Amino acid sequence: AQKITQTQPGMFVQEKEAVTLDCTYDTSDPSYGLFWYKQPSSGEMIFLIYQGSYDQQNATEGRYSLNFQKARKSANLVISASQLGDSAMYFCAMREAGGATNKLIFGTGTLLAVQP
Amino acid sequence: DSGVTQTPKHLITATGQRVTLRCSPRSGDLSVYWYQQSLDQGLQFLIHYYNGEERAKGNILERFSAQQFPDLHSELNLSSLELGDSALYFCASSVLPGGEPISGETQYFGPGTRLLVL
Repeated sequence: AQKITQTQPGMFVQEKEAVTLDCTYDTSDPSYGLFWYKQPSSGEMIFLIYQGSYDQQNATEGRYSLNFQKARKSANLVISASQLGDSAMYFCAMREAGGATNKLIFGTGTLLAVQP
Repeated sequence: DSGVTQTPKHLITATGQRVTLRCSPRSGDLSVYWYQQSLDQGLQFLIHYYNGEERAKGNILERFSAQQFPDLHSELNLSSLELGDSALYFCASSVLPGGEPISGETQYFGPGTRLLVL
C-alpha cells in the first residue's frame, strides 16, 4: 500500500539559511508523482513542486528544489534562503498513475519555523 | 490565490444537523476532489468527481455525499453530524487531460471550509 512518511514533526531554521524537509515514500507502482504543499497558519494548501518518478532531473521551482533519490524512495524538499513567510506546515504527497483512484496520499507534515 | 473557491469559510453547527459545503473549481478544470483534514486523521481523500461523474471514493462516511453539477461546481453534503466531523474540508481541482489519471496531475486546493460541530 502507498505510504508517505515525514519523520520531522517540527523544525527551526534561521532566516536566509537553507533547510531540508524529509519525505520517504512506499509504493509498488513504477509510475507515480510526488508533490509538496505548504499550509500557512491561515489554512490554505498551496502547491509548491512536483516530481515524476520518471523525471531524470530533480525538480526546481524558484527557492524550492526537490532532492529525489529514487533508490532510497525519498523526495526531500529543500528551501533555500529561508524567509519569515516560509513559516508553515509542509506536506509531502504522492499519487500513483494508473491506480483505481486519483487520490493524493499525504504525510503527517512538518511544521517549519523560520527565526529572524 | 489558487482559483478554487469554497463557501462558506467557516461553519458552526450542532450535532445531528446537516450542512452543505460548496466548491467552484478553477476555470477549465473538470475534476473536483474533496479532502478532510482533522487533528487525529490528518489529510484524507474523500471523493473525486470528473465532469459530473463520480470517479473514486475514499474514506467517506455513508452520512456524507457529494455531487458535481453541470456547471462543474461541487457540493459536499454532511448529515447527522457528530462531534468528530469537526474538521477542515478542502476541495481541489485539476485539469486531468483526457480524463485519465496521470502521475503528474496537479491538484489545486481551495481555501477550505472549517466546520465546527458543537
